[in-house]
Order: sequence, then C-alpha cells, then structure tokens
Amino acid sequence: DVKVTQSSRYLVKRTGEKVFLECVQDMDHENMFWYRQDPGLGLRLIYFSYDVKMKEKGDIPEGYSVSREKKERFSLILESASTNQTSMYLCASSPVQARDGYTFGSGTRLTVV
Amino acid sequence: GNSVTQMEGPVTLSEEAFLTINCTYTATGYPSLFWYVQYPGEGLQLLLKATKADDKGSNKGFEATYRKETTSFHLEKGSVQVSDSAVYFCALGGASGGSYIPTFGRGTSLIVHP
Repeated sequence: DVKVTQSSRYLVKRTGEKVFLECVQDMDHENMFWYRQDPGLGLRLIYFSYDVKMKEKGDIPEGYSVSREKKERFSLILESASTNQTSMYLCASSPVQARDGYTFGSGTRLTVV
Repeated sequence: GNSVTQMEGPVTLSEEAFLTINCTYTATGYPSLFWYVQYPGEGLQLLLKATKADDKGSNKGFEATYRKETTSFHLEKGSVQVSDSAVYFCALGGASGGSYIPTFGRGTSLIVHP
C-alpha cells in the first residue's frame, strides 16, 4: 500500500526554536506538498516541490522554508517558531499529472508554547 | 484561476438518512475531481474520484458524478451511518490549467446521530 509518512503525530516546541517536520513517501512521486490546516480556514498551501531541489511558494510561505534533497523526502522548516504557527501540518504527494489523486500523511499536530 | 465551492456545514443527519453535499468548481482544461474524507485527528483520505466528464466515482456507498455542463461534483450516500461522521473535502487537480497544484474546498463537517 502506498504511503506518506510524517515523522511525528504530536509535537510541542518553544517559541523561537527551529523546528523540522519530516515527510517521506515511498511511491516515487515527483510532486510533494506541505499544507497547514486551521479551523474555519481549510487547507492552505505553504510550499510545493515538483522535483529534487525544486520548490515553489504556496499561499502562506512566510516564516517557513523547505528542503528536498532526495526525491522521497520533503522537509518543512520553521526557522523561529511562533505561537501563531500552532496548527495541524499535512504533507501530500502525487505523480506529475495526479489524475488519480493525492496521497496524504496522517498529519503533525504542532503546538508552539 | 481554479476554485472549488462546497456547502458550508455542519450537516447534521440521523442514521440512515440520505446525504448530499454540494460541490461546484471553476477550472480551465479538464481536471480530475475528487472527494476526500478526514476523520478527527487524521490526514485526508481519498474517498472517490472521477477523471472525465460523466464519470461516476463510487466507494463505500458514496457516489459523485462529474457534471461538466453544471460544473458540479455533488457527493451522495443513500443511508448514512454514525461512522460516516467526518469532514469531507471536494477537490480538483490533475494538472488543470497548467498547474500541478490541487484546489480544495473549505470542507463540510458531517455529523450523524444514532
């Protein structure tokens, strides 16, 4: 069964810390995505990667960066965590054309205190 | 650009009631259409899909038909169960309009009472 694995289900970090959220897929997908999900706001795209070392900003990239050194791994980095980055973070992947959809990980619930 | 509009929730039903969640879209090209389901504390799971006009996607008793003439992809189920309580997202994707980024609706919460 195809899989997207996010390294942590729950994470608590302190304000100002550098935070790494890891996402690994085993489907040889070209595209990978990072979203954050907040009540009433739906899914908001943070960053998108369509190939190794390639990335595009999404709707809300401020305060975040990403890294894709290998095809299967897409990392989201919070350079200096703030309380307004407390959220559910979802990683997804897809083939280039994505005619059959996108595969999501289970999510990471991040709390910044 | 692409957009997806789905009915706001929550939708509250009794067990065995008929379910409809409306979804309409705006897109260039010929996107694929999807319904995703999210259970509390989980990620999104693909529920069903349709890749071209007039296709009907179905899974676990849920159905949706890709209607190009009305730009709609409404989700239906004949008899809901308590275990169907979740948030449902309508989405379009599949490299529509030159973009590889999917477009999601805001989500509709479904609550089913025994």
